[in-house]
Amino acid sequence: DIQMTQSPSSLSASVGDRVTITCRASQSIIGYLNWYQQKPGKAPKLLMYAVSILQSGVPSRFSGSGAGTDFTLTITSLQPEDFATYFCQQDYSVPITFGQGTRLEIQ
Amino acid sequence: QVQLVQSGGEVERPGASVKVSCKASGYTFTSYEFSWVRQAPGQGLEWMGWIGTYNGATKYAQKFQGRVTMTTDSSTSTVYMELRSLRSDDTAVYYCARDPPGKDNGYDYWGQGTLVTVSS
Repeated sequence: DIQMTQSPSSLSASVGDRVTITCRASQSIIGYLNWYQQKPGKAPKLLMYAVSILQSGVPSRFSGSGAGTDFTLTITSLQPEDFATYFCQQDYSVPITFGQGTRLEIQ
Repeated sequence: QVQLVQSGGEVERPGASVKVSCKASGYTFTSYEFSWVRQAPGQGLEWMGWIGTYNGATKYAQKFQGRVTMTTDSSTSTVYMELRSLRSDDTAVYYCARDPPGKDNGYDYWGQGTLVTVSS
């Protein structure tokens, strides 16, 4: 199975900050990497797929990059609604696996 | 608009089975596949398997092989996930997620989740 490791596990930031979350795969997943946002008590929401393609309706302050084993999610100018947990996901091979999550909290 | 509506929460005894449904609307049902993902309390996301709505083909995570069955009913645009021989560590919120055909598209719509509690 491909292991997905996110860092950091939690992060405190302020409105207006720029933050970066990293996701590392245990083997190359080429560009088969997606990002989700989850708020408490809600289902995950697709933010970005294929590394850097924004899902419809997702603000452009979210961006993604990377290839192979190392990927990043960047949020510029944090907004109050961005405080949530973020998960990466590889769909290169079965079983599909997710990172353990990064909890983004208000500082 | 696309909607995925799951069945309500369940409380089951260890050793029992549970069947969760996910009814889709707002699009052509057989044009998309489904995955099931679960989330134990306070934990991350765990992929359980996938089902093709066109032909009912399935792929299950090795961890659940032999205990899970996913089915589809195109007449009602509903997919089902049955998990048998329940244990306490199966307590989780179970989500269905729409899976566009092909790789690397992500799960673009999710059900609201169904809490399954396994307790004696």
